[in-house]
Amino acid sequence: NAGVMQNPRHLVRRRGQEARLRCSPMKGHSHVYWYRQLPEEGLKFMVYLQKENIIDESGMPKERFSAEFPKEGPSILRIQQVVRGDSAAYFCATLAGNQETQYFGPGTRLLVL
Amino acid sequence: QQQVKQSPQSLIVQKGGISIINCAYENTAFDYFPWYQQFPGKGPALLIAIRPDVSEKKEGRFTISFNKSAKQFSLHIMDSQPGDSATYFCAASSVETSGSRLTFGEGTQLTVNP
Repeated sequence: NAGVMQNPRHLVRRRGQEARLRCSPMKGHSHVYWYRQLPEEGLKFMVYLQKENIIDESGMPKERFSAEFPKEGPSILRIQQVVRGDSAAYFCATLAGNQETQYFGPGTRLLVL
Repeated sequence: QQQVKQSPQSLIVQKGGISIINCAYENTAFDYFPWYQQFPGKGPALLIAIRPDVSEKKEGRFTISFNKSAKQFSLHIMDSQPGDSATYFCAASSVETSGSRLTFGEGTQLTVNP
C-alpha cells in the first residue's frame, strides 16, 4: 500500500456530529485521492488534492463535505452534520511516480448511528 | 461516458479452475486499466494493470486481455486458489483528461471452493 496510513480505522458518530478522517501518504508523496465505498458497492471518486491545493472535487457532495491537504500534516476529509447515509468506508490513495498507479490505504469505516 | 461496467457480480469456481471477470468502458480517453483485489475490511490492492498499446499482460497466474476496438478488458486467474477468494474491481483512468482519478467497476465477488 506504499505506506499510506489512515486513521482512525473505525469511527462511530451520531447524526449531526462531525467526522474527521485523516490520510498520511508516505513522505514525499504530494498527491492524495479520496474515494468512498458504500456497502456492497464499488469505490466512487470524491476529491483529488495536491499539497495545499484542491485539483478536482467533482465527486464531492456539495454540502457538508470538505477536504484539505496542508503543507504540513495529513490530508483531512471532513464531514459536517453526518447523516446515516454517510456510513461507508472512506479510502485515500497516493499516486506512484509513474503518475498512473494509485496505492490505497486501509480505509476508515464510518458508522453513523 | 465515465462508466465502467463489470460482470459478473459474483463468481464461484473450483480450486484449480479459471476465473474470468469482464469489464467494458465507454470513455475512449481512458488509457490506464488496473485491477484491484480487496479482502474484507482491507483497502484495495493493485493486482495488475495494462495500457491500451498492448493486448495482453501476464503476471504469474493473473492475465489481463485488452480489446481496444471493443472497449473491453478482462482478468483471467489461472489455477484459482481458495486464497484468491476476494472482491475484484476493474478501473480506468486518464492522466490527460481526468488527472488519473480512477473510475471503478461495480466489483466481482469471487469464491474459490477447495
